[in-house]
Amino acid sequence: DGGITQSPKYLFRKEGQNVTLSCEQNLNHDAMYWYRQDPGQGLRLIYYSQIVNDFQKGDIAEGYSVSREKKESFPLTVTSAQKNPTAFYLCASKGIGPDTEAFFGQGTRLTVV
Amino acid sequence: QQPVQSPQAVILREGEDAVINCSSSKALYSVHWYRQKHGEAPVFLMILLKGGEQKGHEKISASFNEKKQQSSLYLTASQLSYSGTYFCGTDPGRGFGNEKLTFGTGTRLTIIP
Repeated sequence: DGGITQSPKYLFRKEGQNVTLSCEQNLNHDAMYWYRQDPGQGLRLIYYSQIVNDFQKGDIAEGYSVSREKKESFPLTVTSAQKNPTAFYLCASKGIGPDTEAFFGQGTRLTVV
Repeated sequence: QQPVQSPQAVILREGEDAVINCSSSKALYSVHWYRQKHGEAPVFLMILLKGGEQKGHEKISASFNEKKQQSSLYLTASQLSYSGTYFCGTDPGRGFGNEKLTFGTGTRLTIIP
């Protein structure tokens, strides 16, 4: 079955450590996205990519990094520079064009202690 | 900048109607609507395109005012299954470099029996 997979579902890390969240899709989508979800703030765009080896900053990119070495994969690294990393992170993918719907992964809940 | 949604939250009795609004400060080519159940991934409802074309859910309707950069989602004869948080997503337009899908602040809808 086609879909988008995030792993792990829950992640705990100590303050000051970098952590990488995985996102894989087999929908053959060109565009992939990372969003952060906090209560009352909706979905805020961290990074997005429209093609392999290229990506753009979203609205809250500080403290995060991404790579897009393969079409299927778009991992997100939460670095120690991110001041408040505890949140729910959602990955999405879609085809190119404004008339194509986005598909979301099940999310990763990151807790930094 | 995120689109702004209103209201932030609404409680309805089963069978009542609701309207959720989405407003953007930027010119739009399309507006997406998604619903998220607690702890789950957002699910696609519909897309409205500049020029009037729509694609999506049969029992949910929406409007898109291109000049005002606003969209409204209409939920009629609400059912318990309609409960969740609704997000609008805005897409700036066609072409490479225009895949920045930005989501709103969310509207939490609770349907009670």
